[in-house]
Amino acid sequence: EAGVVQSPRYKIIEKKQPVAFWCNPISGHNTLYWYLQNLGQGPELLIRYENEEAVDDSQLPKDRFSAERLKGVDSTLKIQPAELGDSAVYLCASSLGLNTEAFFGQGTRLTVV
Amino acid sequence: SQQGEEDPQALSIQEGENATMNCSYKTSINNLQWYRQNSGRGLVHLILIRSNEREKHSGRLRVTLDTSKKSSSLLITASRAADTASYFCATVAGGGTSYGKLTFGQGTILTVHP
Repeated sequence: EAGVVQSPRYKIIEKKQPVAFWCNPISGHNTLYWYLQNLGQGPELLIRYENEEAVDDSQLPKDRFSAERLKGVDSTLKIQPAELGDSAVYLCASSLGLNTEAFFGQGTRLTVV
Repeated sequence: SQQGEEDPQALSIQEGENATMNCSYKTSINNLQWYRQNSGRGLVHLILIRSNEREKHSGRLRVTLDTSKKSSSLLITASRAADTASYFCATVAGGGTSYGKLTFGQGTILTVHP
């Protein structure tokens, strides 16, 4: 069975440009997470979905970041406009539900120049 | 914001030795998990221990949890060069508005020398 699939793996954009990341979770996993990870640090939660509902988006910078999970399956995370400080690895993860182990994708490494 | 704090930040040992990493957290939890991240690779789940459990084993891994001290430890026995990675503890909030939230610490970088 395929794991969590993210695309693209790498993205280089100029500042002020928009960018989007896509995530396909493991089939049957109701919980989906988007994390941001800076070099040498632990992942920081951006948003958590239970099915199609965003149950925790308190750390999502809503002035420039948006996310959606249509039909409670795959999800997209968008940044518009991107800033230099957004350069990081964006990780998507899924789990069967609350309080279970999370499975992570390989991440998207974003470089804003 | 980070919930857990790992200690030490970096650990360097010889192959065959045991490695112990500690994690402290601040709020009530439902469970605590440990993950490994190799250079250039994704995060991989290692083990989950629930708040009503005190110790758990998985192969060469041993995890303890002390909820009264809000701390956990991960022991890797007979370490191998392939164990070289960053190790993160992550807590799942046990109540309140953050119920179910999975929060990571800053990690411990483990280097195992052949």
